[in-house]
Amino acid sequence: KAGVTQTPRYLIKTRGQQVTLSCSPISGHRSVSWYQQTPGQGLQFLFEYFSETQRNKGNFPGRFSGRQFSNSRSEMNVSTLELGDSALYLCASSLAYGKSYEQYFGPGTRLTVT
Amino acid sequence: AQRVTQPEKLLSVFKGAPVELKCNYSYSGSPELFWYVQYSRQRLQLLLRHISRESIKGFTADLNKGETSFHLKKPFAQEEDSAMYYCALMSGGSYIPTFGRGTSLIVHP
Repeated sequence: KAGVTQTPRYLIKTRGQQVTLSCSPISGHRSVSWYQQTPGQGLQFLFEYFSETQRNKGNFPGRFSGRQFSNSRSEMNVSTLELGDSALYLCASSLAYGKSYEQYFGPGTRLTVT
Repeated sequence: AQRVTQPEKLLSVFKGAPVELKCNYSYSGSPELFWYVQYSRQRLQLLLRHISRESIKGFTADLNKGETSFHLKKPFAQEEDSAMYYCALMSGGSYIPTFGRGTSLIVHP
């Protein structure tokens, strides 16, 4: 079974631009979560989607948004990029929504904002 | 607010030595705790969760509510245990995980 895939793997953007990252979950998984990982703040939860609905949201500004499609694929968007948005963005999928379900992580998208 | 603290950024031991990676948390309710591991050039993956009370790859972790700790232990470290380890907490009422900053474990031959 193929793992979680994220595209693109690397991205360089300029301050003020916007970016869209994509995540394809493991086949059959319906829940997708997004995380931001930085040396300064560590691994922080962004949001989780299940059945095309955002179920939980972390403490991030409204510039960070996401969505999930009917095939469970998910995208996250960051508008008006700031230098501090440079990070590794991880996506994780699980069978369903809830703490009982193990999350499987993708390789991440490395975003650099210049 | 919930918080997870991993006091050691780096833990260096020799093969065969016991290992204890510390994790302390602050949360007033009933938390669920997890350990995740990331081996070199691999993805982050779940190692174990406290509710399962299982031993994975020789690692165990016991939730101590009195000391608010969830330390990860292994009696005899192996070189292949070298990795980054993250402790994570989910509060009883939400599914939002809080991660510690991680401890890098290096096991020398």
